[in-house]
Amino acid sequence: GAGVSQSPSNKVTEKGKDVELRCDPISGHTALYWYRQSLGQGLEFLIYFQGNSAPDKSGLPSDRFSAERTGGSVSTLTIQRTQQEDSAVYLCASRPGGADEKLFFGSGTQLSVL
Amino acid sequence: SQQGEEDPQALSIQEGENATMNCSYKTSINNLQWYRQNSGRGLVHLILIRSNEREKHSGRLRVTLDTSKKSSSLLITASRAADTASYFCATDAAGSARQLTFGSGTQLTVLP
Repeated sequence: GAGVSQSPSNKVTEKGKDVELRCDPISGHTALYWYRQSLGQGLEFLIYFQGNSAPDKSGLPSDRFSAERTGGSVSTLTIQRTQQEDSAVYLCASRPGGADEKLFFGSGTQLSVL
Repeated sequence: SQQGEEDPQALSIQEGENATMNCSYKTSINNLQWYRQNSGRGLVHLILIRSNEREKHSGRLRVTLDTSKKSSSLLITASRAADTASYFCATDAAGSARQLTFGSGTQLTVLP
């Protein structure tokens, strides 16, 4: 596709349920990032994938959060047993790799945990 | 933890005026980038400045970098109402695994 695609754009769930958020990066981009942004706040780093290397999971806030990237392309962020404090916009970004440093962001998934 | 911190948190100016936003960071960096965000959703890359550069221009944007003070500034000249957005700096810390760390942003409002 032309840009980074995220789905769903909005997700409302009940506390305790699991959710899966999907990110389709730009074709050929080797790096993929997940960030979380609470209302009116900056971006909080969650996880970073680069090619076939082990992901940098240092930003995941708890073991309820996990992410995978299949075939070096599509990524899924899973939040188990959601809590109200998980409510935020989850942003995915991809980067071409090599010397090109800039990130291309998707429009995000607005997650609301009731 | 936040690597970059923007200042001010909010800025309101009249159309035609210049807007200056500042960013401070804590550790040595490879480069510093500025992004823009409309409506609280996806961010758009504006400009990148490398640690060995001091100033860079792109259209109405001017970015400076002072590595001795660990700070950067973004200047938008002749602002327009359409420049209204949140602006974030992001740093790619030297020695890191290319983890980009974002600041908390400056909300710019340009009044027509």
